[in-house]
Amino acid sequence: QKEVEQDPGPLSVPEGAIVSLNCTYSNSAFQYFMWYRQYSRKGPELLMYTYSSGNKEDGRFTAQVDKSSKYISLFIRDSQPSDSATYLCAMSPYLTQGGSEKLVFGKGTKLTVNP
Amino acid sequence: GAVVSQHPSRVICKSGTSVKIECRSLDFQATTMFWYRQFPKKSLMLMATSNEGSKATYEQGVEKDKFLINHASLTLSTLTVTSAHPEDSSFYICSARGSLGDTQYFGPGTRLTVL
Repeated sequence: QKEVEQDPGPLSVPEGAIVSLNCTYSNSAFQYFMWYRQYSRKGPELLMYTYSSGNKEDGRFTAQVDKSSKYISLFIRDSQPSDSATYLCAMSPYLTQGGSEKLVFGKGTKLTVNP
Repeated sequence: GAVVSQHPSRVICKSGTSVKIECRSLDFQATTMFWYRQFPKKSLMLMATSNEGSKATYEQGVEKDKFLINHASLTLSTLTVTSAHPEDSSFYICSARGSLGDTQYFGPGTRLTVL
């Protein structure tokens, strides 16, 4: 079993739809969870990060973490064509000052929002 | 926000030559920089972690003599692909993390094509 599983899609939705993106993981030591957006031929851009379980909201984006189920989600409300990109989940057991953390990435889900 | 640049954005070279890729943190000091490789439709794979002024730590399976990493200052890290071969063709992405224990910020990536 891979450490992080993410359905690669592709996922195609109409403009205005609510999008749900998910990852599962096997390492119970993961505590920090991140979602990155990557446009074609570009580097990943940090969208949100959360610590431990719970929800975090930022504008149209909501990140949820359920550590008991080892399951994380990213919801996009009122999706726009500009949201079309690949969304990568990433996680780490720790973020240390002066040290380094290794992020383990999912494969990414390719999302297309159709106007 | 934190900005990381990479140069060049794209490079084509002949087999057997060496290629140097630069990664710069533009508005913060990066105590740690990471180098990733991403193949088409695959996730980011960590190659190595470098802390300013120390030797890089390479992931298992990554040849340190082939992928030379130098992190000479708090704003610059370089990756040199020595004696490049067609199988080294990939998208190379760096990320940088500051001293406050914040998460990683990614550069825009460098697409390397070895003929």
